[in-house]
Amino acid sequence: NAGVMQNPRHLVRRRGQEARLRCSPMKGHSHVYWYRQLPEEGLKFMVYLQKENIIDESGMPKERFSAEFPKEGPSILRIQQVVRGDSAAYFCASSPRTANEKLFFGSGTQLSVL
Amino acid sequence: QKEVEQNSGPLSVPEGAIASLNCTYSDRGSQSFFWYRQYSGKSPELIMSIYSNGDKEDGRFTAQLNKASQYVSLLIRDSQPSDSATYLCAVTEEYGNKLVFGAGTILRVKS
Repeated sequence: NAGVMQNPRHLVRRRGQEARLRCSPMKGHSHVYWYRQLPEEGLKFMVYLQKENIIDESGMPKERFSAEFPKEGPSILRIQQVVRGDSAAYFCASSPRTANEKLFFGSGTQLSVL
Repeated sequence: QKEVEQNSGPLSVPEGAIASLNCTYSDRGSQSFFWYRQYSGKSPELIMSIYSNGDKEDGRFTAQLNKASQYVSLLIRDSQPSDSATYLCAVTEEYGNKLVFGAGTILRVKS
């Protein structure tokens, strides 16, 4: 049973480009969470999705960031017109139900903006 | 803004000693509490969950919860160098759908 799969593992973008981060949850998990982690800091919640629905996006910046979890395929976190401040590790986690259940994390995507 | 506070450390303990990690939270209605371990450059790994007041033991790990004091702790007995990592405390919101994480405590176990 594969765990949470994230790709790419490392992503390098120049300022102004778009970044697309992908996450496939564990089999049987329909809840996906995205977190961002800056160096020496904890995990900051960004967005919580279920299939085809955004449940809570209170942690998402209002501009340039969007997320989706389509009926078929992985969840996508999209960052448009990246800036150097977007450089961080982006972790996806899944759970079979809500956050009151245990979260299982993917290996993360390290985004570097040049 | 719901908050989870941890001492950033580093907390240094000798091999074989007990490491004590502490966490306080602001949301009085929180019901679920978790400890994650994160090695440098790796993803967080769940090591303990606790839902009711008191102690919960799992191997060398003991989680302690006091909801009245809004305090949760993690004890690691017989600490090993392989326990050296950042330990993240996470708490669910009472009326939310997400885990709120503390900034983590760095633990260093010296052999």
